[in-house]
Amino acid sequence: AQSVTQPDIHITVSEGASLELRCNYSYGATPYLFWYVQSPGQGLQLLLKYFSGDTLVQGIKGFEAEFKRSQSSFNLRKPSVHWSDAAEYFCAVTGGSYIPTFGRGTSLIVHP
Amino acid sequence: GAVVSQHPSRVICKSGTSVKIECRSLDFQATTMFWYRQFPKQSLMLMATSNEGSKATYEQGVEKDKFLINHASLTLSTLTVTSAHPEDSSFYICSARSDRENTEAFFGQGTRLTVV
Repeated sequence: AQSVTQPDIHITVSEGASLELRCNYSYGATPYLFWYVQSPGQGLQLLLKYFSGDTLVQGIKGFEAEFKRSQSSFNLRKPSVHWSDAAEYFCAVTGGSYIPTFGRGTSLIVHP
Repeated sequence: GAVVSQHPSRVICKSGTSVKIECRSLDFQATTMFWYRQFPKQSLMLMATSNEGSKATYEQGVEKDKFLINHASLTLSTLTVTSAHPEDSSFYICSARSDRENTEAFFGQGTRLTVV
């Protein structure tokens, strides 16, 4: 069975600072990995995804993530955070069943 | 990306009544649709997976008689919460994917259900 761990429930950063949100997954083969963002009362918006190929993936809104097979990680990064980035971030994995399994989410708080 | 439309975005109903939530794929054929429930400040909990034309597969602990899922066409799935009670109040999100595309699932904007 696949699983996702997001070890940080909350992350607080200052506007303009860099950001890294952690994600570790468990899956026996090569996973498909995703990062989603959710604003309050809204659905999920896909930030980026990894299926294969280059392990550094670029997404929307200036986000990127790096797939590290040896560490079973897919951490999300952004070099300079904007106040509008404050939201809930979910890492997800799918395997052969194509059913997304989500982490518990990380709440990003941005201080001015 | 593909668009999934979920309706209504918010609904308030009286205890004991039924509520239907629709999930439509607007520009692709959704061979598989997923229904999730999300409690405040928590992650998405998969309730069921439905494939077009067949019965939904429910996750353990989800009452299939309470949460009726119909996936009658390649563009529409519905979730009906029957005899709703206040504990059914939650945020429900659908997602859809196509077997013909890659493995990505696209999400609706969610439905906030409040049972009073």
